[in-house]
Amino acid sequence: LAKTTQPISMDSYEGQEVNITCSHNNIATNDYITWYQQFPSQGPRFIIQGYKTKVTNEVASLFIPADRKSSTLSLPRVSLSDTAVYYCLVKSNDYKLSFGAGTTVTVRA
Amino acid sequence: DSGVTQTPKHLITATGQRVTLRCSPRSGDLSVYWYQQSLDQGLQFLIQYYNGEERAKGNILERFSAQQFPDLHSELNLSSLELGDSALYFCASSVGVAVQETQYFGPGTRLLVL
Repeated sequence: LAKTTQPISMDSYEGQEVNITCSHNNIATNDYITWYQQFPSQGPRFIIQGYKTKVTNEVASLFIPADRKSSTLSLPRVSLSDTAVYYCLVKSNDYKLSFGAGTTVTVRA
Repeated sequence: DSGVTQTPKHLITATGQRVTLRCSPRSGDLSVYWYQQSLDQGLQFLIQYYNGEERAKGNILERFSAQQFPDLHSELNLSSLELGDSALYFCASSVGVAVQETQYFGPGTRLLVL
């Protein structure tokens, strides 16, 4: 199962774009990559998921290069309410799961 | 609101005791996952059940056990509790076991062992 590595923390300002990269060097062919957001004392909330190339939804984009050894979550024009911990998850089809340690994103006014 | 419910919200107990945490998945979801999150740490996957059967095990201690019942709710049993077991315990559910399925997390149970 791929081990996931993320930066511990990132600071940003309102209106900026935030990019968080997760490394998963040993990702297997059929593994999927998912990102979650977690606020204090709450359960993680699904943000976006992908397998390769680029995925975009109403809140974020996910970029996965061809070798799939990393993935980058992009949060456009962040606001104070985007201050949270962001986790990447690699899930394999033999039911194995690997969450990253989480990246604390702090958005300042 | 994810649709996943967990009870109790808070639990305070003493070392050596045993507790049971309960999880009800979203309507229609057959898979249940349990996670432990210690203070200032990430999510540690413990165990997964699908339609009553164990599907995957993570870093679950032998003192911990879980099961999923015919009505699909799940219970996580923690015994011989130690101070280090103090943590947030999350349950998540998904429709099935396909690799691309999204997990929906409950609000968690905060366990404090004194």
